[in-house]
Amino acid sequence: DAGITQSPRHKVTETGTPVTLRCHQTENHRYMYWYRQDPGHGLRLIHYSYGVKDTDKGEVSDGYSVSRSKTEDFLLTLESATSSQTSVYFCAINSPTASTFTDTQYFGPGTRLTVL
Amino acid sequence: AQTVTQSQPEMSVQEAETVTLSCTYDTSESDYYLFWYKQPPSRQMILVIRQEAYKQQNATENRFSVNFQKAAKSFSLKISDSQLGDAAMYFCAYRSIEGGANSKLTFGKGITLSVRP
Repeated sequence: DAGITQSPRHKVTETGTPVTLRCHQTENHRYMYWYRQDPGHGLRLIHYSYGVKDTDKGEVSDGYSVSRSKTEDFLLTLESATSSQTSVYFCAINSPTASTFTDTQYFGPGTRLTVL
Repeated sequence: AQTVTQSQPEMSVQEAETVTLSCTYDTSESDYYLFWYKQPPSRQMILVIRQEAYKQQNATENRFSVNFQKAAKSFSLKISDSQLGDAAMYFCAYRSIEGGANSKLTFGKGITLSVRP
């Protein structure tokens, strides 16, 4: 358990409305990531953060913004939600293991977002 | 850019039997990490096993083992003594050894494994 929570776990919203998803971690990890999961695509990176106020784009960042004002929280915002953003969103952190120190990503439980 | 290919969308195995899930990848890097993640119906992404490319020995975790063929860029997952709880979607993923933006995971499309009782 990497101490990652996501909120909300489920959300239904309408096209054009803003939506913010929250990822919270309790173990002071530096790197945090937002992925989206769609059938036939696996998981794809939206944005990532390498520290407080340090963020960068991933491969599918259009229509999304992020913020990280505290180490423990990484927020994903859909400025104006569209139906193409209906997806499952996962937050992840990078964590070295006790035995090998190989950075490994651990995932939160996911948020299912439906945009009508 | 790296790519990960899982060409089999679905597989089925009899309980207690062995099954192998295939994964190939493309990269120009010499050092990297490879992972298999399991996603059961609960949707949680669970790390199954990982392999460092510089290690020649194949990784093993209990009933799960990999066949890592670096020259062929192949990374298959073998599940021995399959159990009903192994039924899930399995994702193969690649990670550069570098940090920063290259620390992201590149995923295959996944394979759905069903286990017959």
